[in-house]
Amino acid sequence: KAGVTQTPRYLIKTRGQQVTLSCSPISGHRSVSWYQQTPGQGLQFLFEYFSETQRNKGNFPGRFSGRQFSNSRSEMNVSTLELGDSALYLCASRAQETQYFGPGTRLLVL
Amino acid sequence: QKEVEQDPGPLSVPEGAIVSLNCTYSNSAFQYFMWYRQYSRKGPELLMYTYSSGNKEDGRFTAQVDKSSKYISLFIRDSQPSDSATYLCAMTPSDGYNKLIFGAGTRLAVHP
Repeated sequence: KAGVTQTPRYLIKTRGQQVTLSCSPISGHRSVSWYQQTPGQGLQFLFEYFSETQRNKGNFPGRFSGRQFSNSRSEMNVSTLELGDSALYLCASRAQETQYFGPGTRLLVL
Repeated sequence: QKEVEQDPGPLSVPEGAIVSLNCTYSNSAFQYFMWYRQYSRKGPELLMYTYSSGNKEDGRFTAQVDKSSKYISLFIRDSQPSDSATYLCAMTPSDGYNKLIFGAGTRLAVHP
């Protein structure tokens, strides 16, 4: 099976802009979670989608949002970008109790 | 205080050494415990997954969970330079296994 894929792999934006990241889970996986990884805060949970519904959300401001499509692909959106949003954004798809991560999208906000 | 504590290292060992990586946690609701390996500029890769207290072995890797002490460990035997990476512990309660709580990660360097 193909693994989790994320696009784009790298992105440079300026403050105030918005960005949309995409994630395709492993075939057959219906749960997709998003995480933010930074040197200072480590890996932090953003939100999780299952069958197009958000089931769980982490402690991030409303500028961070997501959605899931009927084919389980997911997107996350960050509006009004801030310098502190520079991070590696990771998507994971879940089978039972285990999560499998994609390679991530590295976002740099200037 | 963080829910999961992990020494960030770095930890430097010679090839062939036994490596011990550890995490402590404070939330007794955590039921599932995982170890991920992350190479530079890559996504985390699942190494080991355990549910109950005790040991679980997979090749050169052994995961150990002590729920009474809220302490988990990963042992790497006969370490190789290719094991050089950041090792992240992660855990989740039984009703929230879609939300992983990660340790800070320990950077490991295995030198020839």
